[in-house]
Amino acid sequence: EADIYQTPRYLVIGTGKKITLECSQTMGHDKMYWYQQDPGMELHLIHYSYGVNSTEKGDLSSESTVSRIRTEHFPLTLESARPSHTSQYLCASSYRGLEKLFFGSGTQLSVL
Amino acid sequence: AQSVTQLGSHVSVSEGALVLLRCNYSSSVPPYLFWYVQYPNQGLQLLLKYTSAATLVKGINGFEAEFKKSETSFHLTKPSAHMSDAAEYFCAVSAVGNTDKLIFGTGTRLQVFP
Repeated sequence: EADIYQTPRYLVIGTGKKITLECSQTMGHDKMYWYQQDPGMELHLIHYSYGVNSTEKGDLSSESTVSRIRTEHFPLTLESARPSHTSQYLCASSYRGLEKLFFGSGTQLSVL
Repeated sequence: AQSVTQLGSHVSVSEGALVLLRCNYSSSVPPYLFWYVQYPNQGLQLLLKYTSAATLVKGINGFEAEFKKSETSFHLTKPSAHMSDAAEYFCAVSAVGNTDKLIFGTGTRLQVFP
């Protein structure tokens, strides 16, 4: 049912590299979100967007940045990756407020 | 602030047995409550939601949950477990002052044995 895509599925990179995690949805949803998920821990909201040119920081402080130039696209960028950034990153989108979130399959990032 | 506590990071049941996954919430205002499921290598999917209508909420795949204000609970149940129910289950509550942000619990991994 979900038409929200994240690439890459897995990413292993060295410290100091710049990376961009891609997230796209084809449902025309205005709201999009990035969550960070560590094993055995809560999902933490790190960024969200209510529409084009709208971005906000979430509850968990993150060194990553996001952009929303097009409705369907919400990429997340790390300018200089560090081992502490190792985590799973989940992208989601929604409509009609909070009724339902659609999640992508996630990107598992490992920074060596 | 709002929060969610899921009791038990791992739950194991036999196929055909009752499934009970516990979730307690804390909220200073009437909450919206959700259960999401994450199958291996997939994103989270909405199982069911409580948005101040009926307190007993039925979801997909035979799951249901009951909102109990007096106990601040929203436990997830299924009468008879199936092997395909093995997954990670997350309880979530809507944030005060911003219903567009969900606060998730730590998740419960359900294992189903034959």
